[in-house]
Amino acid sequence: RKEVEQDPGPFNVPEGATVAFNCTYSNSASQSFFWYRQDCRKEPKLLMSVYSSGNEDGRFTAQLNRASQYISLLIRDSKLSDSATYLCVVRNAGGTSYGKLTFGQGTILTVHP
Amino acid sequence: SAVISQKPSRDICQRGTSLTIQCQVDSQVTMMFWYRQQPGQSLTLIATANQGSEATYESGFVIDKFPISRPNLTFSTLTVSNMSPEDSSIYLCSGNILGVRKTEAFFGQGTRLTVV
Repeated sequence: RKEVEQDPGPFNVPEGATVAFNCTYSNSASQSFFWYRQDCRKEPKLLMSVYSSGNEDGRFTAQLNRASQYISLLIRDSKLSDSATYLCVVRNAGGTSYGKLTFGQGTILTVHP
Repeated sequence: SAVISQKPSRDICQRGTSLTIQCQVDSQVTMMFWYRQQPGQSLTLIATANQGSEATYESGFVIDKFPISRPNLTFSTLTVSNMSPEDSSIYLCSGNILGVRKTEAFFGQGTRLTVV
């Protein structure tokens, strides 16, 4: 089983649609959770951190369920510029693996006119 | 936010040769990492670059194939040795900023390597 698993995608949605991505992680000791965005031929960039209470940043809402080891990202009112690969990312807790990020396989989103 | 400069941005190399990728960070970082991203895949951690000591390699990666140096807090190199076409990939360095809780990881722009 992969340490971080995401919806396989790809998602093709019209502008204005709401789209949700799901992610599960297997290491119950994982400490921090993130969504990264990667545009074609570019490096990943942080979209948002994910907090236990859930958090929102404009059109983006992230949720974390530690009991189910489940993370989600909701994008409302999709824009053409949201087209990218979205990576679910988990950071391990302490010890020798502290700071190490584990990436999901990514979900490709295409927003069309 | 940190800026990570990585070079070269791309290269085409002959099999059997070696390529050294450099990564320079503009801020002091505690942790630096090297990742590989194969075509259509997500990022896989190669190793953690430790300042002044040997890197910590992940399963499936060895020092003889991917020697790493980190002489100070802001600079690291990754060498891809004795290359074969299977090493064709994007290689990315990453750094966490010193002392910031739940810090963002910053990435270099990546090195697109093609081995022929």
